[in-house]
Amino acid sequence: ETGVTQTPRHLVMGMTNKKSLKCEQHLGHNAMYWYKQSAKKPLELMFVYSLEERVENNSVPSRFSPECPNSSHLFLHLHTLQPEDSALYLCASSQTRQGGLGYTFGSGTRLTVV
Amino acid sequence: AQSVTQLDSQVPVFEEAPVELRCNYSSSVSVYLFWYVQYPNQGLQLLLKYLSGSTLVKGINGFEAEFNKSQTSFHLRKPSVHISDTAEYFCAVSSSNQAGTALIFGKGTTLSVSS
Repeated sequence: ETGVTQTPRHLVMGMTNKKSLKCEQHLGHNAMYWYKQSAKKPLELMFVYSLEERVENNSVPSRFSPECPNSSHLFLHLHTLQPEDSALYLCASSQTRQGGLGYTFGSGTRLTVV
Repeated sequence: AQSVTQLDSQVPVFEEAPVELRCNYSSSVSVYLFWYVQYPNQGLQLLLKYLSGSTLVKGINGFEAEFNKSQTSFHLRKPSVHISDTAEYFCAVSSSNQAGTALIFGKGTTLSVSS
């Protein structure tokens, strides 16, 4: 069973909507990540948070806005998305940013932009 | 910077046959290597990892992988597959130095096991 919970599991939103994805972990991990998984493409790292500070932002469009209020919670706020943003969004956590012990992934949020 | 190449996008195999999923990496520094599995409509689950030490790493579900530094490879193997092994498999790499990097994933290999 995963120790990382993502909600909602599925989300359909229009291009003018504002919505948020939520990720929660109670593993005592200090680093959290957002990945985007599109069909036929590698997993794309979007954001990295270590001890609640954003340490990486891989040229992600500003229509995606992350928030990490504490070490257990991570949000991805969405607004004015495009159809090409439809994908599976995966949250992960690790004990440290180095990730040497591996990541624990959530089940993902399947996002469809219409 | 690191990169990962999974050499096969799809691998069809019959039940009880052996399988090898190939992974090559590129890095200018020492690395950690991982294999993850993703079943339909689920997140990624760690199969095994190489951090240091023995180059042959055993993981869950009967899988193993061998780290070959000279060939920069980390191929995944299983001597006898089951229908339930049908899934997407991802190889990943991160640097092992103190600064650390987030995991970089390959494009994935779809393993299809049929009877």
